[in-house]
Amino acid sequence: QITLKESGPTLVKPTQTLTLTCTFSGFSLDTGGVGVGWIRQPPGKALEWLALIYWDDDKRYSPSLKSRLTITKDTSKNQVVLIMTNMDPVDTGTYYCTRSLTQDPPEYWGQGTLVTVSS
Amino acid sequence: QSALTQTASVSGSPGQSITISCTGTSGDIGTYKFVSWYQQHPGKAPKLKIYDVSSRPSGVSNRFSGSKSGNTASLTISGLQAEDEADYYCSSYTTSGTWVFGGGTKLTVL
Repeated sequence: QITLKESGPTLVKPTQTLTLTCTFSGFSLDTGGVGVGWIRQPPGKALEWLALIYWDDDKRYSPSLKSRLTITKDTSKNQVVLIMTNMDPVDTGTYYCTRSLTQDPPEYWGQGTLVTVSS
Repeated sequence: QSALTQTASVSGSPGQSITISCTGTSGDIGTYKFVSWYQQHPGKAPKLKIYDVSSRPSGVSNRFSGSKSGNTASLTISGLQAEDEADYYCSSYTTSGTWVFGGGTKLTVL
């Protein structure tokens, strides 16, 4: 059974850096073709794709957010970390961790974690 | 990359069929077969309903079908049921090697 769970702060201040961790089970990020990524959703708004890291450490970023994002993996811990710098209130939303296979859309999603950016 | 364009809302009565469209560009939908559709109920994570334009994951009802023509993809739901009321999002792989979502369509079952 594949599961993913997001963890991190629920509240961050403007200009701060957000660090989110995705802890997963039921698969390995050592397996060819496997990727773990992040997608977010502001309250009442649409999904926005953020970043993805593949088993071979290939990393993909949303062009509009690339300068603010860093994604890394720790295969031994079954974890993927997303770092987003210079947080702004518009970054408030639910952040989802997902699993996908090469060029396949995310099929497995975590429950999501709500992050609020406010002073 | 810009978000894919979806109609904001659509409605239908139980038993009817509805179609949701999703328009992209030659940089995404127009180039790849990697178009997918998600269903999202309030407060829940999205659920994959269609991938590779018209394929259904295991367990997804055959009432859900997908197609593509040029830069536009479509999701059709036949035999509408009350449980189909949700938000629907299209998504496409892009020539940048990333993914892009649509703005979402709210389906109301009358």
